[in-house]
Amino acid sequence: AQRVTQPEKLLSVFKGAPVELKCNYSYSGSPELFWYVQYSRQRLQLLLRHISRESIKGFTADLNKGETSFHLKKPFAQEEDSAMYYCALSGVNNNAGNMLTFGGGTRLMVKP
Amino acid sequence: ETGVTQSPTHLIKTRGQQVTLRCSSQSGHNTVSWYQQALGQGPQFIFQYYREEENGRGNFPPRFSGLQFPNYSSELNVNALELDDSALYLCASRGLAGGTYEQYFGPGTRLTVT
Repeated sequence: AQRVTQPEKLLSVFKGAPVELKCNYSYSGSPELFWYVQYSRQRLQLLLRHISRESIKGFTADLNKGETSFHLKKPFAQEEDSAMYYCALSGVNNNAGNMLTFGGGTRLMVKP
Repeated sequence: ETGVTQSPTHLIKTRGQQVTLRCSSQSGHNTVSWYQQALGQGPQFIFQYYREEENGRGNFPPRFSGLQFPNYSSELNVNALELDDSALYLCASRGLAGGTYEQYFGPGTRLTVT
């Protein structure tokens, strides 16, 4: 079975401080990992995916297969980063189509 | 190009009733997935349709069923509603973006069962 765990429900930081949103997963095959973000009153949208290895809005995430983690990081948080963040996993060889398994989400609050 | 739309935005039903939720996929997307998001939790996969056939299902009972139409719009039907079915229901269509596939989510339908 595949599972995604986000241990923090809420993360509160001051503007300019570093941010790390934690994500751990369990999956027996080769997973594809994503971070989704939901800003206030907006729909869920993709922030980044591990295969792209890119930085989006200053955020990066590295897949660590040894630790089964995919933590989201940003060196200097901005107030506009305040949102709900979801880590998600898609199994490459599953028989459930392209299902995404989501973590419970972490609310990031960036204080001025 | 229009995004994923869902209707209605919210509705209230009584336990035991049946409900149909609708989704219009993003133009050109032939795969649609449905998710249930209970309050304070992440979305949970219900099922996926590709070219009008169900090709993946999560851990939901048979009273959750769906349809996809030739124009790739879709429906989620829930029979014999239970209080625990109260949630935000998300639809997502899948298509190419920058050379890779991406799921585009709709705004959701909030269902309250009393």
